[in-house]
Amino acid sequence: DVKVTQSSRYLVKRTGEKVFLECVQDMDHENMFWYRQDPGLGLRLIYFSYDVKMKEKGDIPEGYSVSREKKERFSLILESASTNQTSMYLCASKTQALGPGSTQYFGPGTRLLVL
Amino acid sequence: TQLLEQSPQFLSIQEGENLTVYCNSSSVFSSLQWYRQEPGEGPVLLVTVVTGGEVKKLKRLTFQFGDARKDSSLHITAAQPGDTGLYLCSTSGTYKYIFGTGTRLKVLA
Repeated sequence: DVKVTQSSRYLVKRTGEKVFLECVQDMDHENMFWYRQDPGLGLRLIYFSYDVKMKEKGDIPEGYSVSREKKERFSLILESASTNQTSMYLCASKTQALGPGSTQYFGPGTRLLVL
Repeated sequence: TQLLEQSPQFLSIQEGENLTVYCNSSSVFSSLQWYRQEPGEGPVLLVTVVTGGEVKKLKRLTFQFGDARKDSSLHITAAQPGDTGLYLCSTSGTYKYIFGTGTRLKVLA
């Protein structure tokens, strides 16, 4: 089975802190994604990566950066956390770009609270 | 930008009842995925539908893709408390997936 793990299930940080969220997948997937999920807004794409050291902005990249130094690991960085970044953060991975057989597999999520 | 509208937003029913939730768009889907997300967990893929008019069954869950590929439905027969969760539909663009806001289902024992 595909496994996507996230470094923390719950995090509490202070405004202005630098926050690292780590995601690791064990299926040699090329593509990895970071979403945030907020009530009433659904899942919104922050960044994605289609290869090592490659990244593309999603729909809401402001205030975030990412790093993909190894194929299995995709990190989301909040350079200076703000209260409006309190959210559930979900990492996902998938193989091949498109096609009906291409499935995203999600991690369990990190619930981040910024005080 | 393609938008996915899901209805209803919330649904609370008794165990044993049947229910249907919907996913609609003004655009044609290339394919459509349905996920279930349990509280505190990430979404888990239930099914992918590709062909207009397609019907897929997963135990008590029946998924239908509209003939014009602009809408989809999920029907649950004899709902159980274990069906409780957030049901999300999703479709893919170039490298990117678009998600609906979901239907939050609660099945009461």
